[in-house]
Amino acid sequence: KQEVTQIPAALSVPEGENLVLNCSFTDSAIYNLQWFRQDPGKGLTSLLLIQSSQREQTSGRLNASLDKSSGRSTLYIAASQPGDSATYLCASSGSARQLTFGSGTQLTVLP
Amino acid sequence: EAEVAQSPRYKITEKSQAVAFWCDPISGHATLYWYRQILGQGPELLVQFQDESVVDDSQLPKDRFSAERLKGVDSTLKIQPAELGDSAMYLCASSPVGGSYEQYFGPGTRLTVT
Repeated sequence: KQEVTQIPAALSVPEGENLVLNCSFTDSAIYNLQWFRQDPGKGLTSLLLIQSSQREQTSGRLNASLDKSSGRSTLYIAASQPGDSATYLCASSGSARQLTFGSGTQLTVLP
Repeated sequence: EAEVAQSPRYKITEKSQAVAFWCDPISGHATLYWYRQILGQGPELLVQFQDESVVDDSQLPKDRFSAERLKGVDSTLKIQPAELGDSAMYLCASSPVGGSYEQYFGPGTRLTVT
């Protein structure tokens, strides 16, 4: 059974810092990996999706990488802003296309 | 931009009562998922539909939960009777068949059982 772990559980940084969120998974036979953002009490917003054949994806200030062999993905946020404050979730998709989620990293960007 | 719709957004119910949630996926998305998210945790899959057929409901507590997608479009998730431990966010997602299989989530229904 796939297990997804996110470290750290919470992170607080000053505005303008670059930061990295980590995600690890136990089964490397994934179809894709998605990163989501969740604001308090809200649904999930998809940020980036990396297919198993890809190594990274970029969108604006966000860059996600995938290393299947080591079972790791990272989300890099450049020049963080207070509006980036949210919980970030990673999820892996297996052959049935179901998502297995980590518990998330709660990010606070201080002005 | 097409979105997944869910209603209600918030629901407060007393234990032992029945409650139902509705989801309308993005048009053309054949696959529909219901997830449950307990506060402070990641979402966990309850049931997956492909068109009107259940693909996986192995994590659905079938003694009290039921889900249907009769015409292969919108879906209803029901709990009867509700228990205190059912308090959570219920999220619906949909994805197209083929391509990246990217899942798109609705705003969720926050259930509080008192």
